[in-house]
Amino acid sequence: GEDVEQSLFLSVREGDSSVINCTYTDSSSTYLYWYKQEPGAGLQLLTYIFSNMDMKQDQRLTVLLNKKDKHLSLRIADTQTGDSAIYFCAETFNAGNNRKLIWGLGTSLAVNP
Amino acid sequence: SQTIHQWPATLVQPVGSPLSLECTVEGTSNPNLYWYRQAAGRGLQLLFYSVGIGQISSEVPQNLSASRPQDRQFILSSKKLLLSDSGFYLCAWSPGTGSGEPQHFGDGTRLSIL
Repeated sequence: GEDVEQSLFLSVREGDSSVINCTYTDSSSTYLYWYKQEPGAGLQLLTYIFSNMDMKQDQRLTVLLNKKDKHLSLRIADTQTGDSAIYFCAETFNAGNNRKLIWGLGTSLAVNP
Repeated sequence: SQTIHQWPATLVQPVGSPLSLECTVEGTSNPNLYWYRQAAGRGLQLLFYSVGIGQISSEVPQNLSASRPQDRQFILSSKKLLLSDSGFYLCAWSPGTGSGEPQHFGDGTRLSIL
C-alpha cells in the first residue's frame, strides 16, 4: 500500500544546513507537504510542492522533489535552535482525492549550539 | 484570515466516562474537517473526516464517533472511554475545493485516561 518513510532522527550544529529526507510510494501524488511540530503543539505547515515542480524555495527553506526516485527533501539553511522540532512529510492519497494525506512518522531535528 | 480553535487543551478522564472534544473554524465556508490521533510513537492516524454538515467518514473502527452539526464545527465523542483512547488529538481543516490545498491544524488536546 501507500507509504511515506523518513529517518527518525537528525542532529546538526547551529548555523549548519539541515537536510531532512522523505521517500513516498504513491506515484500519482499531486501534492507533497512539510509540517513542523514543536513539543506539545499542533502541526504547522512549512511548505508544499506540486508534483510537477522540481524545487521550491521559501526564505531558509528549500524543497527538492525527485519524481523518478520518489524522493522529497527539505533543506533548512543556517539552522537555529528554534528549528528543533519534529518534521513531517506527507503526500496526497490518490490523484483527484486530495482530502486525505499519507504521513511519515516524522524526523526529530536536534540543533546543538 | 482563517483560524481553527480546539478545546480543551488538556483533559484527564476516568475509564468509562464520556468524551466531547470540540473544534471550530473561522474565516472560511464549507471546509473539509479532520480528526487525527497522535500516539506517543509520533505517527498521525486519521480518525474521521467530513466534507459537509452531517457527512462523516470513519477511517478506523474504534470507540469514538464524530459529528458535524454546523458547517464549521466538528465534534469528537465517546460514550465510554478506554485506556487505549489516551493520546494527542488534533483537529484540522482544508479548503473544500479538493484542489490539494494543505491542511491546517489546531493546537491539539492532550487526553489522558486514568
